[in-house]
Amino acid sequence: QSALTQPASVSGSPGQSITISCTGTSSDVGGYDYVSWCQQHPGKAPKLMIYDVSKRPSGVSNRFSGSKSGNTASLTISGLQAEDEADYYCCSYAGNSVYVFGTGTKVTVL
Amino acid sequence: EVQLVESGGDLVQPGGSLRLSCVASGFTFSSYAMTWARQAPGKGLEWVSSISGGGSGTYYADSVKGRFTITRDNSKNTLYLQMNTLRVEDTAVYYCVKRSLAGTYYFDYWGQGTLVTVSS
Repeated sequence: QSALTQPASVSGSPGQSITISCTGTSSDVGGYDYVSWCQQHPGKAPKLMIYDVSKRPSGVSNRFSGSKSGNTASLTISGLQAEDEADYYCCSYAGNSVYVFGTGTKVTVL
Repeated sequence: EVQLVESGGDLVQPGGSLRLSCVASGFTFSSYAMTWARQAPGKGLEWVSSISGGGSGTYYADSVKGRFTITRDNSKNTLYLQMNTLRVEDTAVYYCVKRSLAGTYYFDYWGQGTLVTVSS
């Protein structure tokens, strides 16, 4: 149950696109198409942004998109906005009702 | 509207015990698996434990196995986490989390969290 690996920080200017990676193993990210991403603003509860690798819940902006290749999943934020500044966590199902989160990435809008 | 309200967080000494509760509303509680996740101060999220909708299936992270027990009372729409033999490293905000539909593997709603501090 080791945490998935994410970059500690990613930054971009308003309007730009950024991508956050999430690297696991064949036992979690690579083994299932059940990667999700959540956004957490300081002092707030996490909010689901992407599920099942690339699906968006109702109400989430289409500027957020997800993908996966092998043992690495990615979250892309296009048209970066000030409100996107937050921490982002990936989460993967790892079988037998076990889940693993990523180490988290702080997104800074320059 | 889905609401998850945690309570029970407190300051406790190492080796002590604490029980967290989470009252759910806005959905048919018994139909959904539920999860506890935690976040140590300034750190990332960590999955702690999950329980099936009926309560018969329980699952734990290695870091808490044998010390924590997850249960639920579907008549009261309440999720619990009994935490025994607490360690300093258990200090965290504990979140009550709803899993989405059966056959899905993601968390769609989170509570606001309750703070557990383990310190002498």
